[in-house]
Amino acid sequence: QVQLVESGGGVVQPGTSLRLSCAASRFRFSSHGMHWFRQAPGKGLEWVAMIWFDGRDENYADSVKGRFTISRDNSKNTLYLQMNTLRAEDTAVYYCASFLGDNPAGYFQYWGQGTLVTVSS
Amino acid sequence: QSALTQPASVSGSPGQSIGISCTGTSSDVGSYNFVSWYQHHPGKAPKVIIYEGSKRPSGVSDRFSGSKSGNTASLTISGLQAEDEADYYCCSYAGSDTWVFGGGTKLTVL
Repeated sequence: QVQLVESGGGVVQPGTSLRLSCAASRFRFSSHGMHWFRQAPGKGLEWVAMIWFDGRDENYADSVKGRFTISRDNSKNTLYLQMNTLRAEDTAVYYCASFLGDNPAGYFQYWGQGTLVTVSS
Repeated sequence: QSALTQPASVSGSPGQSIGISCTGTSSDVGSYNFVSWYQHHPGKAPKVIIYEGSKRPSGVSDRFSGSKSGNTASLTISGLQAEDEADYYCCSYAGSDTWVFGGGTKLTVL
């Protein structure tokens, strides 16, 4: 069974950094674009960032551009999200997901269960 | 990158049909046939139920159907069942490798 497991969440102070990881297993991680999403308390899902299957390109939501960096290590089947200069409004459950299809035709196929990031002083 | 507009809640009785709208702009829903819908039970991973506007992934019930007209996409769930109670999100490609979600719709099965 395919698994995506996020880790690295926690409680941090505003202005600090945190790195999330998403460990993938039982599917061809290196063949899929990967994405990060988040859901703030009581709010809907928000797309955060994406990276191509080979890591050659990436893109970000305006709300995190310049502060967050997505990366991947295909040798370790792991996706990362480096979050810098965190703000209270970054508080959310963060999900990773794989994309199935010929970008952008397709859909977000496999999702993790999420990891909670709380930014608070 | 403004969120797509969905009704906050809808409800229906078992066996009935309900529809959920998803309104975007000419920069996202109106420009691309890449709208997908996700079912999200709180505490669980979201699950795709419709992609590219009207296609169903393997294993998804044919009670779920999708359509699009102009800047508005729609999800219809027929023959409502108790297990359909969940949050539903639409998502559209918005160009230049960006995506935008709707605010979500809470479906209550009465």
